[in-house]
Amino acid sequence: AQSVTQLGSHVSVSEGALVLLRCNYSSSVPPYLFWYVQYPNQGLQLLLKYTSAATLVKGINGFEAEFKKSETSFHLTKPSAHMRDAAEYFCAVSTTADKLIFGTGTRLQVFP
Amino acid sequence: DAGVIQSPRHEVTEMGQEVTLRCKPISGHNSLFWYRQTMMRGLELLIYFNNNVPIDDSGMPEDRFSAKMPNASFSTLKIQPSEPRDSAVYFCASRSGRGDEQFFGPGTRLTVL
Repeated sequence: AQSVTQLGSHVSVSEGALVLLRCNYSSSVPPYLFWYVQYPNQGLQLLLKYTSAATLVKGINGFEAEFKKSETSFHLTKPSAHMRDAAEYFCAVSTTADKLIFGTGTRLQVFP
Repeated sequence: DAGVIQSPRHEVTEMGQEVTLRCKPISGHNSLFWYRQTMMRGLELLIYFNNNVPIDDSGMPEDRFSAKMPNASFSTLKIQPSEPRDSAVYFCASRSGRGDEQFFGPGTRLTVL
């Protein structure tokens, strides 16, 4: 069965600092992996997705994630945080049953 | 495209009342998903449809919950009777094909008093 673990329910960074949000997955088959962002009082929006084409995936708003099979990880990074990046971030894996399994989310705070 | 449309955006009702949430998926998408989000349980998949047919309703919490998709452009999630523990944000999402991203609506915030 597929599952997702997001390490750290809250991450705080200063504006301009590196953002690193951690995601580890478990899957018995090659996975599809996704990162979504949720701004307050809004629905989820796709940041990026991995579908086996390339291990380093670039998304919107300067975010990127690297698929590491040996570590079963798909961590999300951004070189320089901006105030507008403050939101909740969800990692998700697509299952063999064609559903998305979401992690518990990481709330990112950005301080000036 | 207007994206996934949900109505109402906010619903406040009293315990025991029937609640109907509505969703219009993106035109051309053939899969539709209903999720519930709470602080305690996070994002939970309730049910999803492929080509208007319910595929997996194992996430529907109780018989009080039911969902329909009478055509490719409309779906409803009904709670009857509603209870305070049903208070949550309910999201609808649609997708064009397997492995593709799901596009989420803005959600309906339900409060059951």
